[in-house]
Amino acid sequence: EAGVVQSPRYKIIEKKQPVAFWCNPISGHNTLYWYRQNLGQGPELLIRYENEEAVDDSQLPKDRFSAERLKGVDSTLKIQPAELGDSAVYLCASSFNSGETQYFGPGTRLLVL
Amino acid sequence: TQLLEQSPQFLSIQEGENLTVYCNSSSVFSSLQWYRQEPGEGPVLLVTVVTGGEVKKLKRLTFQFGDARKDSSLHITAAQPGDTGLYLCAGARAAGNKLTFGGGTRVLVKP
Repeated sequence: EAGVVQSPRYKIIEKKQPVAFWCNPISGHNTLYWYRQNLGQGPELLIRYENEEAVDDSQLPKDRFSAERLKGVDSTLKIQPAELGDSAVYLCASSFNSGETQYFGPGTRLLVL
Repeated sequence: TQLLEQSPQFLSIQEGENLTVYCNSSSVFSSLQWYRQEPGEGPVLLVTVVTGGEVKKLKRLTFQFGDARKDSSLHITAAQPGDTGLYLCAGARAAGNKLTFGGGTRVLVKP
């Protein structure tokens, strides 16, 4: 069975440019998470979806970040405009239901120049 | 300030040696998880502990949850180069609640 798929794996952009990340969760998983992991630190939750509903987006910087999970399957995370401090690994995870084991994708490494 | 503090931040040992990684907090968690993350990959769950004082073993890895459910440790016996990676602890304050990760301990096992 395929795991969580993320693309692109790497992205280099100049500051003020927009960028988007895509995540395909494990089939049948209702809950989807986006995390940001800064260098040398643990992941921090940005947003959690239950099906297509965002149920926890308290840590999402809403002035420049947006996310969607149309149809409750795939999800995209967008940054517009990107800032230097956004350089990090963006991880997507999914679980069958909230509170159950989370399975992580390989992440997208973003470098903002 | 992280809710979960991991120590040490970095550990370099020779193959065959033992090591212990600690995860501490002033908060009580309903459950605590340990993950290992290798370069270029996402974290992979190793174990979940839910009962104060609980000890779980996974081959050469021993995980312990503190009696007060505020801290945990991971002990590796006879470490091997394949144990190299970033070890992360993560706690949930309540069932179904979001996970809060520690800062991680980077372990390097040299052959």
